[in-house]
Amino acid sequence: EPEVTQTPSHQVTQMGQEVILRCVPISNHLYFYWYRQILGQKVEFLVSFYNNEISEKSEIFDDQFSVERPDGSNFTLKIRSTKLEDSAMYFCASSTGTSAGSYNEQFFGPGTRLTVL
Amino acid sequence: GNSVTQMEGPVTLSEEAFLTINCTYTATGYPSLFWYVQYPGEGLQLLLKATKADDKGSNKGFEATYRKETTSFHLEKGSVQVSDSAVYFCALSDPYSSASKIIFGSGTRLSIRP
Repeated sequence: EPEVTQTPSHQVTQMGQEVILRCVPISNHLYFYWYRQILGQKVEFLVSFYNNEISEKSEIFDDQFSVERPDGSNFTLKIRSTKLEDSAMYFCASSTGTSAGSYNEQFFGPGTRLTVL
Repeated sequence: GNSVTQMEGPVTLSEEAFLTINCTYTATGYPSLFWYVQYPGEGLQLLLKATKADDKGSNKGFEATYRKETTSFHLEKGSVQVSDSAVYFCALSDPYSSASKIIFGSGTRLSIRP
């Protein structure tokens, strides 16, 4: 069964460093998402991406964050200068995104745990 | 804006007990409703879904009914097992947006005693 994969499973970095989290969505999916979950808290939407551009972003997704689909298979989240409060589990998701009005399930990856020291 | 409120945990039950986890939502229009489960050390898995009023989603013995009149989507299971111990998230999305984000509740941690 196709699945969303994410690498690495755990990333440790120093405050101020850049990190890139990688995701491989399901191959025929068109919509891509990043969510994050700070330890013990709810899962929060960060950004959605379609047709090589951001379709929606939350207030969390500030100028420190960027997303890219560099090669048609990977979908990346870059944090330019990490802060302590960026420590969280980051989930990638993808969906087929068919016509509006029908249900488009988002399939989630296993997550990358980011620890900022 | 859209939001989801679910009962706070942790919830601790004995094996074979009846489970209810309450969830209510606020949304414009007619959202799709979901329950996701997160087992220890793992990612999010879709447990069940309902896309319109009065739909009942079911999976692995869990059920939830989309109640538009009470804006609720309570999760129930008649007889829980130790393997059901996990965090359960109620969630919604707008079906009329192709790139719609999912909005999650705060999660309810469930622990089942043998």
